[in-house]
Amino acid sequence: QKEVEQNSGPLSVPEGAIASLNCTYSDRGSQSFFWYRQYSGKSPELIMSIYSNGDKEDGRFTAQLNKASQYVSLLIRDSQPSDSATYLCAVPPPGNQFYFGTGTSLTVIP
Amino acid sequence: GAVVSQHPSRVICKSGTSVKIECRSLDFQATTMFWYRQFPKQSLMLMATSNEGSKATYEQGVEKDKFLINHASLTLSTLTVTSAHPEDSSFYICSARGGSGTDTQYFGPGTRLTVL
Repeated sequence: QKEVEQNSGPLSVPEGAIASLNCTYSDRGSQSFFWYRQYSGKSPELIMSIYSNGDKEDGRFTAQLNKASQYVSLLIRDSQPSDSATYLCAVPPPGNQFYFGTGTSLTVIP
Repeated sequence: GAVVSQHPSRVICKSGTSVKIECRSLDFQATTMFWYRQFPKQSLMLMATSNEGSKATYEQGVEKDKFLINHASLTLSTLTVTSAHPEDSSFYICSARGGSGTDTQYFGPGTRLTVL
């Protein structure tokens, strides 16, 4: 079983809609969770981090964490074409490793 | 804050030569640095993890004698691709951890290596 799993997509949503990206993880000891965005040909950039169960909002982005069910999600409200990218979920277990999901490709259609 | 730079951003070299890529954390001390490789339309692949002053830990299948990693200070790590071949052509990305959030990784802009 992979440490972090994401639906690779592609996910397409119309402009203005809500995009929902999901991630599950296997290590119950994980305490921190991250979402990164990667544009084609560029390196990943950090969007959000979340540490506690529940929702965390930052502008149009909302991260949701449910440790009991071992999933973390990212909602993008009012999706824009500029949000089209690959979104990577990262869940570092205790220790030095840092596992990324394979990423979900999102396309926002104008 | 939490800026990571990489140099060079792009390099083209002949087969058989060695290429050194530098990764620097500009405004924080990086206790751990990571090196990734990414082929077109594929996901990030972790190559190795390095802690300052100690030997790097390589992922399975990554040749330590081919990909030399040095993490001599808390702000600098280098990756040297020795005797590069065309199949080593890829996008190499470093990241650093140890900024404001101890678990947060910040990525450099990447180095695109083309071996002719």
